Amino acid sequence: EAGVVQSPRYKIIEKKQPVAFWCNPISGHNTLYWYLQNLGQGPELLIRYENEEAVDDSQLPKDRFSAERLKGVDSTLKIQPAELGDSAVYLCASSLVGTGLNEQFFGPGTRLTVL
Amino acid sequence: GNSVTQMEGPVTLSEEAFLTINCTYTATGYPSLFWYVQYPGEGLQLLLKATKADDKGSNKGFEATYRKETTSFHLEKGSVQVSDSAVYFCALNAGGTSYGKLTFGQGTILTVHP
Repeated sequence: EAGVVQSPRYKIIEKKQPVAFWCNPISGHNTLYWYLQNLGQGPELLIRYENEEAVDDSQLPKDRFSAERLKGVDSTLKIQPAELGDSAVYLCASSLVGTGLNEQFFGPGTRLTVL
Repeated sequence: GNSVTQMEGPVTLSEEAFLTINCTYTATGYPSLFWYVQYPGEGLQLLLKATKADDKGSNKGFEATYRKETTSFHLEKGSVQVSDSAVYFCALNAGGTSYGKLTFGQGTILTVHP
């Protein structure tokens, strides 16, 4: 079974440029998460989707960040415009809610560097 | 709010040494507790979990016991291997209104030398 797929794995951009990250969750998983991981820190939740609906986006900086999950499968996270402080690893995870423990499976992440 | 505190690293051990990585938490209600491991260049992988007080999670020789009285979930392994070198994260899922959200500690880097 394929795991969570993310692309690109690495991205280097100039500040003020836009950037987008893509995530394909494990097949059949109804819940998708985007986490932000700063260097030397644990991941922090940005947004959680149940199917197509964003059910927790309280930590998403909505002035510059946006996300969508079309048809309840793949998801895209966008930053526009990027700032120097956005340099971090962006992790996507998925799970099958309703199975009790809600185990989350993580992708390898996209490492963003903003110059 | 919910939070997780891990012992500061990095931790450096020789092969076959005993490992302890401390983890304490703050949460309302009755959280589920997890240890995740991140090998170089890979995503986080669930190592073990516990859902209620006194539960012991175990996997690959690693163990952790959910201690509600001390709000702790320390990770232990009796004999580490070079292949255990990775970053270890303690996390909780508080359930209820934060169902689905994992709150992580800052991670502990483990390096095991031959």
